[in-house]
Amino acid sequence: GIQVEQSPPDLILQEGANSTLRCNFSDSVNNLQWFHQNPWGQLINLFYIPSGTKQNGRLSATTVATERYSLLYISSSQTTDSGVYFCAVGSGSYQLTFGKGTKLSVIP
Amino acid sequence: SAVISQKPSRDICQRGTSLTIQCQVDSQVTMMFWYRQQPGQSLTLIATANQGSEATYESGFVIDKFPISRPNLTFSTLTVSNMSPEDSSIYLCSVRQGDTEAFFGQGTRLTVV
Repeated sequence: GIQVEQSPPDLILQEGANSTLRCNFSDSVNNLQWFHQNPWGQLINLFYIPSGTKQNGRLSATTVATERYSLLYISSSQTTDSGVYFCAVGSGSYQLTFGKGTKLSVIP
Repeated sequence: SAVISQKPSRDICQRGTSLTIQCQVDSQVTMMFWYRQQPGQSLTLIATANQGSEATYESGFVIDKFPISRPNLTFSTLTVSNMSPEDSSIYLCSVRQGDTEAFFGQGTRLTVV
């Protein structure tokens, strides 16, 4: 099956700093999503982005499908951004394959 | 988008017992999925639940351990049977309407003692 690799696995930021999270995938995909998992375990949809670029406030994402990677940018980070960020992809079937996540800690 | 209500949000259960998790969606959806997230790990698909047919289980998951019901297009249940401490995880249901964005319930945090 398709492989999804996320980097870095852990990231510690000072409040106000910017960061870039990366997601590499091993095959063509027709779905790519970024999620934020909060401390209570809930998955929050950030972006549905099988290709192209999207922005939502301080967050933006870019997927270059031909090169099989996606980037999530977080600007002016806040303590509420802390948590685990997952990239998930779909290829052919409707199920999603998740990466192992990036654990982000934003310190005041 | 879809609004998904998942119950219970958390539970502590004795080993050897069973727990049924409910997932209710605010609109009709063709496909519902159940995932497991073990402590500190990523999400792993347990099964796909389609209305009117048997659930399709992923490798490593069996119907006797994780029976699933899908009585209509807005509801599904997952039962975790004969629980052991290794079943302590977050269980999440997810919906997707065709080849579109997937949405998740708030999850059920299960602790088996």
